[in-house]
Amino acid sequence: QLVLTQSPSASASLGASVKLTCTLSSGHSSNAIAWHQQQPEKGPRYLMKVNSDGSHSKGDGIPDRFSGSSSGAERYLTISSLQSEDEADYYCQTWGTGIRVFGGGTKLTVL
Amino acid sequence: EVQLVESGGGLVQPGGSLRLSCAASEFTFSSYEMNWVRQAPGKGLEWVSYISSSGNTVYYADSVKGRFTISRDNAKNSLYLQMNSLRAEDTAVYYCALRGELDYWGQGTLVTVSS
Repeated sequence: QLVLTQSPSASASLGASVKLTCTLSSGHSSNAIAWHQQQPEKGPRYLMKVNSDGSHSKGDGIPDRFSGSSSGAERYLTISSLQSEDEADYYCQTWGTGIRVFGGGTKLTVL
Repeated sequence: EVQLVESGGGLVQPGGSLRLSCAASEFTFSSYEMNWVRQAPGKGLEWVSYISSSGNTVYYADSVKGRFTISRDNAKNSLYLQMNSLRAEDTAVYYCALRGELDYWGQGTLVTVSS
């Protein structure tokens, strides 16, 4: 069964960096994933696609502060130089034939 | 720039029906697979349904299978979701989104199922 696991919460200070993790379930470690950001009271926004080899492709207008990487079944989203507007929910998501799956989301607090 | 605009949400009684629409522009709609995704109040994102670019292949989440029908009209650049036998747990903001990686999203339309 295709499942994505995320920590429910994370926090980091203004100007610092944070690395969010998304773990693919057993047997699906080669899947690409996408990261989406949802700021309070807004709809989701596509950030990037992260492949199993660590390469990533960002969406329109996504700042260079956002980057993606991979290691085994884990996919990462790193946000550097944290700004107040980065405080949001971050969802990873993957897809296959006939299915799209979301992780439970990580609520990022910028201190 | 890609634009997706949902409409058709509203208040409906349990057991009722509603048809959502998603108007697409600024890209070749007929070339892309589409999805519906929803978010219940205070909850995470849940994929609802998928349709291929031609409309010949569709898939549904188990939670809506047999009650919802996805369709598209490529001549009108429009995506639809027919929702029947609505339940309180279908209350959510419904989004249309593009492709497997959901790289473009609409702004959403709110569906409230309540008596």
